[in-house]
Amino acid sequence: DAKTTQPPSMDCAEGRAANLPCNHSTISGNEYVYWYRQIHSQGPQYIIHGLKNNETNEMASLIITEDRKSSTLILPHATLRDTAVYYCIVRVAGTGGFKTIFGAGTRLFVKA
Amino acid sequence: DVKVTQSSRYLVKRTGEKVFLECVQDMDHENMFWYRQDPGLGLRLIYFSYDVKMKEKGDIPEGYSVSREKKERFSLILESASTNQTSMYLCASSLSDTEAFFGQGTRLTVV
Repeated sequence: DAKTTQPPSMDCAEGRAANLPCNHSTISGNEYVYWYRQIHSQGPQYIIHGLKNNETNEMASLIITEDRKSSTLILPHATLRDTAVYYCIVRVAGTGGFKTIFGAGTRLFVKA
Repeated sequence: DVKVTQSSRYLVKRTGEKVFLECVQDMDHENMFWYRQDPGLGLRLIYFSYDVKMKEKGDIPEGYSVSREKKERFSLILESASTNQTSMYLCASSLSDTEAFFGQGTRLTVV
């Protein structure tokens, strides 16, 4: 199973871009990179995912390096409500389906 | 919107009790998961199921069992609750190649 490595915590000023890095050096060719976040006392929430190309949606952008060994989640204009734990996940194919394995994540603090 | 509903938000049980945590999803998802979350340990996968009556062990299945009699419902069972099973329990569901959707969690305290 491909594993991910993320910094335990990061700070970001409100209104600035938050760039959250993730290493997944053992990722295989058919595995996607997913990002989730968990705001305190809630279940994790899907943000974005990608395979090779960079992706953007209304919440964030995902930049994946050409060798796919690392990626960066970008929150373009962080707000106080973006304070959360962010999980970078590589989807692993199990028998007949996928099991989502979460690491410890990065705790992002957005400060006023 | 996908809805994953866990039967209780907070639960207090006594040591040795049999505990059932229920999870229901309304989007006909094939895969369902149970995690527990503890401070400093992140989310750890207990069991998952990719079809009715099918189940597979995750990383920490000891002390737990599961039941999936219907596609929309995935139950986590603590046969004899112990204090070290005090935790936040999260249920999730997904189609095979899409993102997982999580419930709000059940905070279980075993006294």
